[in-house]
Amino acid sequence: GQQVMQIPQYQHVQEGEDFTTYCNSSTTLSNIQWYKQRPGGHPVFLIQLVKSGEVKKQKRLTFQFGEAKKNSSLHITATQTTDVGTYFCAAVPDNYGQNFVFGPGTRLSVLP
Amino acid sequence: ETGVTQSPTHLIKTRGQQVTLRCSSQSGHNTVSWYQQALGQGPQFIFQYYREEENGRGNFPPRFSGLQFPNYSSELNVNALELDDSALYLCASSWYGTPPTEAFFGQGTRLTVV
Repeated sequence: GQQVMQIPQYQHVQEGEDFTTYCNSSTTLSNIQWYKQRPGGHPVFLIQLVKSGEVKKQKRLTFQFGEAKKNSSLHITATQTTDVGTYFCAAVPDNYGQNFVFGPGTRLSVLP
Repeated sequence: ETGVTQSPTHLIKTRGQQVTLRCSSQSGHNTVSWYQQALGQGPQFIFQYYREEENGRGNFPPRFSGLQFPNYSSELNVNALELDDSALYLCASSWYGTPPTEAFFGQGTRLTVV
C-alpha cells in the first residue's frame, strides 16, 4: 500500500533550538496535512498544503510542500516546552480519493 | 474541544468477541473517518464514510465494518477480535471537499484485547 516516511523518528532539543521534521513519499501527493499529538492526546490539525512549492507560516512554525509534491517539511524556530509532542504528516497520494496516509511521526522532546 | 465525541473511552474485550465503538461527529460535518493507532505509531486509515456510504477503505480485513447514520454519527464494528486489535481507535469528522478539509479528531477509544 501507499507509504509515507518521516524523519527523524525522535528529536531531543534544548529549549530555544530549532527543529525540523521531514515527510517523504515515493509517489506524487495531491495534498498534505500536518497534525500534532500531545502525549495521551489526539491529533490536532495544524495546516494543509496543496500547491507545489507552497510555504505557509504560523508564528514560529513554517511548513513547506516540495516542488515535485513528493515531500514536505515542518520547521519550528526557537522551540518551547509547549512544542512537545509527536508531529505527523498526513498525505493524500494522487488518485487516492480523500483518504489520508499518516506518516509514523516525529516525537519531539524539548529540554528546559 | 473539537466537538467530536467517542464512546466508550476504554474497553477490555476477550479474543474472539465482537466490539462496537461509537463516534458523534462535529456539528456541520458530513464525513467520518476511522483510524487505528498502535502505541508509538501513526494512525492507520481503516475507512471513511460520507453520506452513509463507505468512501474508501484501508488495508483492514472485512471483520472491520462500519456504519454512518443520517445524523452523520458513526459506528465501527470489529468481529472476532484478535490480540493485535489492541490499539487506540480514533474517529475524525470533516466536511467533504476538494481538497479535503481539516479533520477534527475525537479523544479515541482505547481497546485492549486479552
